[in-house]
Amino acid sequence: QKEVEQNSGPLSVPEGAIASLNCTYSDRGSQSFFWYRQYSGKSPELIMFIYSNGDKEDGRFTAQLNKASQYVSLLIRDSQPSDSATYLCAVNAQGAQKLVFGQGTRLTINP
Amino acid sequence: GAVVSQHPSWVICKSGTSVKIECRSLDFQATTMFWYRQFPKQSLMLMATSNEGSKATYEQGVEKDKFLINHASLTLSTLTVTSAHPEDSSFYICSAAGAAGNSPLHFGNGTRLTVT
Repeated sequence: QKEVEQNSGPLSVPEGAIASLNCTYSDRGSQSFFWYRQYSGKSPELIMFIYSNGDKEDGRFTAQLNKASQYVSLLIRDSQPSDSATYLCAVNAQGAQKLVFGQGTRLTINP
Repeated sequence: GAVVSQHPSWVICKSGTSVKIECRSLDFQATTMFWYRQFPKQSLMLMATSNEGSKATYEQGVEKDKFLINHASLTLSTLTVTSAHPEDSSFYICSAAGAAGNSPLHFGNGTRLTVT
């Protein structure tokens, strides 16, 4: 079992709809969870991070964490074509800065 | 916000030569930096953890004699790909985080290495 798993997609969502991206992790000791967006040929850029169970909202983005079920999700509201990218879920253990990445989900927003 | 600068952004070299990639934290001190490699359509794979003033910690399967890492200051880490071969062609990305253990990592812009 991979440490961090994501559906590789592609996930197609119509413009204006909600895009839902999911990620599961295997290490119950994981403490910090991150979502990165990566455009083709570019390096990842941080979108959100979450440490506590529940929801965290930032603009059109909402991260959801459920440690009991070991999953973290990212919701993108009012999806825009510019949101089309690969979304990487990353996890690290307590006190460790080393991140383990999922394989990424390729998201396409259709105008 | 935290800024990480990586140079060069792309490099083409001949097989057998060495290439050095620099990673700098511009507005914060980074005692630890991380070097990742990404092949096309794949995720980021951690190669090594670069520690200021000490030896790097390499992930399993990464040749430390081939990928030399030097972290001479709190703002600079370098990765040297020695005796490069075509299979070393990849996207190399460095990252750094602030002092807190759970600080988000910020990435450099990456270096596209092509070995001919």
